[in-house]
This record gives sequence, C-alpha cells and structure tokens, in this order.
Amino acid sequence: GAVVSQHPSWVICKSGTSVKIECRSLDFQATTMFWYRQFPKQSLMLMATSNEGSKATYEQGVEKDKFLINHASLTLSTLTVTSAHPEDSSFYICSAKGLAGVPDTQYFGPGTRLTVL
Amino acid sequence: TQLLEQSPQFLSIQEGENLTVYCNSSSVFSSLQWYRQEPGEGPVLLVTVVTGGEVKKLKRLTFQFGDARKDSSLHITAAQPGDTGLYLCAGDNNQGGKLIFGQGTELSVKP
Repeated sequence: GAVVSQHPSWVICKSGTSVKIECRSLDFQATTMFWYRQFPKQSLMLMATSNEGSKATYEQGVEKDKFLINHASLTLSTLTVTSAHPEDSSFYICSAKGLAGVPDTQYFGPGTRLTVL
Repeated sequence: TQLLEQSPQFLSIQEGENLTVYCNSSSVFSSLQWYRQEPGEGPVLLVTVVTGGEVKKLKRLTFQFGDARKDSSLHITAAQPGDTGLYLCAGDNNQGGKLIFGQGTELSVKP
C-alpha cells in the first residue's frame, strides 16, 4: 500500500512552453500533497504544500505564478511549470500524506526529470 | 529557521565495513523519518521513529531516535554494494505535516 505515481517520468520541452506534471496516490486518499525540487547530489527542497480543495501554500522564494499547483481531488495533484526556462530544469518529486501506511508519513513518487532546452 | 544537520555528506567505504550517519537539530521533532534514494528515483521510506530513545532494526540497518527527539542516527552493519545510495533524514515538526530534510548522505560501498 501507499503507492504514489508521477507522470511523466521525464519530459523535454522548449523554452517558453508550459509543462504539467501529475502526482497520483494510487491506493489511498491523500489529504495533503507536497511538491519538491531536487538538484543533483542534493537534498529535497520543498516548493509547496497543497490540501485537497484549497489553494497551495508556497515556500518563501517560490513563484506561485510560475509553479501552478492544483489539488482537485484526494488522489490527484498537478504542478504546471509555466513559461519554462533552462534554469527550471530539475528533478521534481511529489509526496502524499493521508490515511495509509504509517500515520503522518509522506510517501514519495518516483520523480519527474524536466529538461528545458 | 529549523535545521537538520546531517553528516557525513559523503561516505565511501569497502564492502563489509560498518558506518553511522547522524542527524542533529536544536529543535524537537514529533517524528523522524529515514529515506533511501537511488539516482533518478524518488525517496523510499526506510523507517519512522516517533518515541524518544526508540531503536528500530531493519535487517543490517539500526535506527535510533534521541531521548529528547532532537537527533537520530542510522547505523549500517557489514555494508554491501547494494546499500549504495543517498540517505535522507527528515523531521516532522508539526507544521502542517511539512518535513525538514537533512542535507543527505551520499554512500558508496565498493566491492
């Protein structure tokens, strides 16, 4: 149990385009989902926290108009990188927390590698 | 700003050696989690510790939560090449479920 999927697993896009990444909890309802960014050989950096049906809470320094987060249901959250630029290239990981597995534990998706040309 | 200091950040050892990774903070956490991550994949949960002084074992891995719930350690006995990866500790400080991550420990076990 407590499986989280992400789609796509990797994406290459041109500068100026928008990219949408999906995060799904497959076998449990996720009351809260989190979006992280990770650079090579580094730890995870929290971008935002989203609760189902409400606006996401962004961490300091994260542009909410650039990284649009929607948490429309208890099993799906999406991150849209708008007008992507090469500096947005990174590994994006989501996690979900809800009524599954060990209480109050975040379960992570496999990540999405974004490359902006 | 709460910090979770993880050390060492890099560790390269021979197969069969033992190692310990530390996570320390001045803050109290309600729980602390350890993850292992391989390149190009998401972190995989190894263990969650919630009680001060708690010790949990997972085969050759031993996890300990400090009595004051401010620090934790991961000890690996007789490391194997399959243990190679990025190990991350993360503390829950009861702020909406957000986790505070350590810097990570890149472990390389050579055969």
